Amino acid sequence: DTAVSQTPKYLVTQMGNDKSIKCEQNLGHDTMYWYKQDSKKFLKIMFSYNNKELIINETVPNRFSPKSPDKAHLNLHINSLELGDSAVYFCASRVGVASNEKLFFGSGTQLSVL
Amino acid sequence: GNSVTQMEGPVTLSEEAFLTINCTYTATGYPSLFWYVQYPGEGLQLLLKATKADDKGSNKGFEATYRKETTSFHLEKGSVQVSDSAVYFCALINAGGTSYGKLTFGQGTILTVHP
Repeated sequence: DTAVSQTPKYLVTQMGNDKSIKCEQNLGHDTMYWYKQDSKKFLKIMFSYNNKELIINETVPNRFSPKSPDKAHLNLHINSLELGDSAVYFCASRVGVASNEKLFFGSGTQLSVL
Repeated sequence: GNSVTQMEGPVTLSEEAFLTINCTYTATGYPSLFWYVQYPGEGLQLLLKATKADDKGSNKGFEATYRKETTSFHLEKGSVQVSDSAVYFCALINAGGTSYGKLTFGQGTILTVHP
């Protein structure tokens, strides 16, 4: 049983399209995250939800909209895709927000915008 | 703000060589420090952590000691294996109510171990 699962694993699309990436965790965690990893492997946080409430919203274009229908799911919708959106997007979860808790990561969604 | 700086990669070693990946950080307060590892095609997974000064985290032969005086958390392993080939990330979370568990990562260090 995969603890944090993302779909799709690969996503190839044209510029200007709208796409969604889904994430589900079966760990019973309260907090979920989206991270973006660029081609140089640099990871940057995008969003975080705690019990369906948005708690972290970094400087991300408003073409990116997260949605958390329940605390086990955090989806990422991207409008009007641009070339620079090509990256690997990781979902992660943890029990709460305490500083010493580890994150559990999904295996990533590789987005390629052509 | 918080920041983490890792040594530039890629690092290429022969099997059984000694590994050090340097990591230094800037943070207010007393952060918790982590090393995460990313194997090819996979998500990140926690390798080890330390939550206060002089703590040593260890796992799978890897070690790192939280050095507050030098703001460092260097990763070491005495004898690397081919299976250790991966990307290694140093990271921190600041304690405190407004951090919301936000993990700040270093830029990652690619390690390749040859037989």
